[in-house]
Amino acid sequence: SQQGEEDPQALSIQEGENATMNCSYKTSINNLQWYRQNSGRGLVHLILIRSNEREKHSGRLRVTLDTSKKSSSLLITASRAADTASYFCATNEDSGAGSYQLTFGKGTKLSVIP
Amino acid sequence: KAGVTQTPRYLIKTRGQQVTLSCSPISGHRSVSWYQQTPGQGLQFLFEYFSETQRNKGNFPGRFSGRQFSNSRSEMNVSTLELGDSALYLCASSWGLATGELFFGEGSRLTVL
Repeated sequence: SQQGEEDPQALSIQEGENATMNCSYKTSINNLQWYRQNSGRGLVHLILIRSNEREKHSGRLRVTLDTSKKSSSLLITASRAADTASYFCATNEDSGAGSYQLTFGKGTKLSVIP
Repeated sequence: KAGVTQTPRYLIKTRGQQVTLSCSPISGHRSVSWYQQTPGQGLQFLFEYFSETQRNKGNFPGRFSGRQFSNSRSEMNVSTLELGDSALYLCASSWGLATGELFFGEGSRLTVL
């Protein structure tokens, strides 16, 4: 089952512009994570934000979390061609009896044009 | 520190065959999770192992199974392959339970003909 849903599904921008991706989820969470995947490769962890945090920064990345709206956004500033990839949000979901698993959305495909 | 290693990277099988995929986690990591990635369904959780015990299982038929060894290495097996099993199978490891940061391997791309 898909917990997080990213929006937009695809995004194309010019190098140097900012890219914003959004993620919405359905149930309560302990944390929300963002991952990046280059075509056909493994996923790389970008940032984790806990449910009691509202904003977090890491280099050119800025993540916000609004638990009242069950949504998060990932902002990449001053994008580069190397940022071209798919970006996924992941939330931990109670799979029953207090057992949690990490569930990924379908991702946003970002293309940065040089 | 070596990353997560998955073997084989690519394989082609025919319907009805079975396949075993291997995953060596980062040294010291005790949790290994498996995901199936397809264009249509995205990343689907298969199962998670922690200290040789299956902690969680996704919504997949019994043809999909896995195990974890005492050195934390994990294998997953798919029996009686179907065309729809064609996918990128990703393994991820973490030190603790798999609800924090996951470290992914490059995946095993399975094609079923």
